[in-house]
Amino acid sequence: QPVLTQSSSASASLGSSVKLTCTLSSGHSSYIIAWHQQQPGKAPRYLMKLEDSGNYNKGSGVPDRFSGSSSGADRYLTISNLQSEDEADYHCETWDRNTRVFGGGTKLTVL
Amino acid sequence: EVQLVESGGGLVQPGGSLRLSCAASGFTFSDYAMTWVRQAPGKGLEWVSAISHSGDNTYYADSVKGRFTVSRDNSKNTLYLQMNSLRAEDTAVYYCANLYSSSCHHWGQGTLVTVSS
Repeated sequence: QPVLTQSSSASASLGSSVKLTCTLSSGHSSYIIAWHQQQPGKAPRYLMKLEDSGNYNKGSGVPDRFSGSSSGADRYLTISNLQSEDEADYHCETWDRNTRVFGGGTKLTVL
Repeated sequence: EVQLVESGGGLVQPGGSLRLSCAASGFTFSDYAMTWVRQAPGKGLEWVSAISHSGDNTYYADSVKGRFTVSRDNSKNTLYLQMNSLRAEDTAVYYCANLYSSSCHHWGQGTLVTVSS
């Protein structure tokens, strides 16, 4: 089954942009993933589904500042014009047959 | 508005049992596969179990296989997770989510399960 690798932490300044990475394990570079945001003390929230082509479908109400892209086995979440409320954990998810897998999550700090 | 409300969490001794419930509203529950995902304190998300829209097919992570049972009652719009032989490492917040086009889509607020003597 696939493995998803994320950096444990990232930081960026208010108003700037940040690009988070989720890397699929060898042999799984074509897999679709989903990105979820988890603000402190809250439940996860679906952000988008992201294909290997770079096409993505965002959830209802997700701001335009959030976008996705792909390159090989890497899936990216870019957040532009960072706001304080973007400080959160970001999790990637994928699935294979009848199991699903999450990355370890990236804690984003907005400076 | 889609709502998923978990309940049934609490403190239980090692070896004990708990049944979690997830009450769904705001969407046609019987049309969607559902899943349970947990998060141990300070850790990432871990998939636990899933069930098809009809309830005919169930799936489990190796870590809970043989101890947990997922089920659903489409007439009550409710998802369940029966947890037996609980261990300290099962301590976590348990979330339910509906599966839309394969991914977790809407999430509940979670219910905390603590396994401790």
